Amino acid sequence: DQQVKQNSPSLSVQEGRISILNCDYTNSMFDYFLWYKKYPAEGPTFLISISSIKDKNEDGRFTVFLNKSAKHLSLHIVPSQPGDSAVYFCAASGRSGGSNYKLTFGKGTLLTVNP
Amino acid sequence: KAGVTQTPRYLIKTRGQQVTLSCSPISGHRSVSWYQQTPGQGLQFLFEYFSETQRNKGNFPGRFSGRQFSNSRSEMNVSTLELGDSALYLCASSRRTGQGGDEQYFGPGTRLTVT
Repeated sequence: DQQVKQNSPSLSVQEGRISILNCDYTNSMFDYFLWYKKYPAEGPTFLISISSIKDKNEDGRFTVFLNKSAKHLSLHIVPSQPGDSAVYFCAASGRSGGSNYKLTFGKGTLLTVNP
Repeated sequence: KAGVTQTPRYLIKTRGQQVTLSCSPISGHRSVSWYQQTPGQGLQFLFEYFSETQRNKGNFPGRFSGRQFSNSRSEMNVSTLELGDSALYLCASSRRTGQGGDEQYFGPGTRLTVT
């Protein structure tokens, strides 16, 4: 039972264009969402997060949008750069069982930014 | 501020052996979580410790255990290793944000290979 889904295993964009990575979730108890970037042989690096009380959060070139009614979030990267090429994980946490410290991850999307 | 450190970075063990992995969180972070990453299953939550107590646990067999020390350093142990335990084991330390969730910062991981 996959509670966080990233349906696109890979995405390829041109340098300078927008990258849009999508994530869907099924558990309505999730109330905090995060995006991580991961290079091979390294741990995930935190990028940006959003609380369920917001529908948008922006940090430099990265913007996360949350649509609670659709249980959908997306990460926009503008403009995309070749160094952004990595696997991007969507993660969610919530007050299930009284604890919100467990992150549930999607399976990741491999982003390739072509020069 | 130093990041999350994990030792060792690489480990090769034989089926049936046991292994102990170590994690030092970011200074000031009191929560430590462990995750297993495999190509097929993605990132899966193992357990989380806070103030030397296990606060949350994932769906892994009892062969997987952990502990946290008074200085917040954590160890995880896997007994009676199986071939399927080959994975990247990631440790993350957490800080509470002001937005109702926790940001987890990951170490580089320990690559365990069971032969």
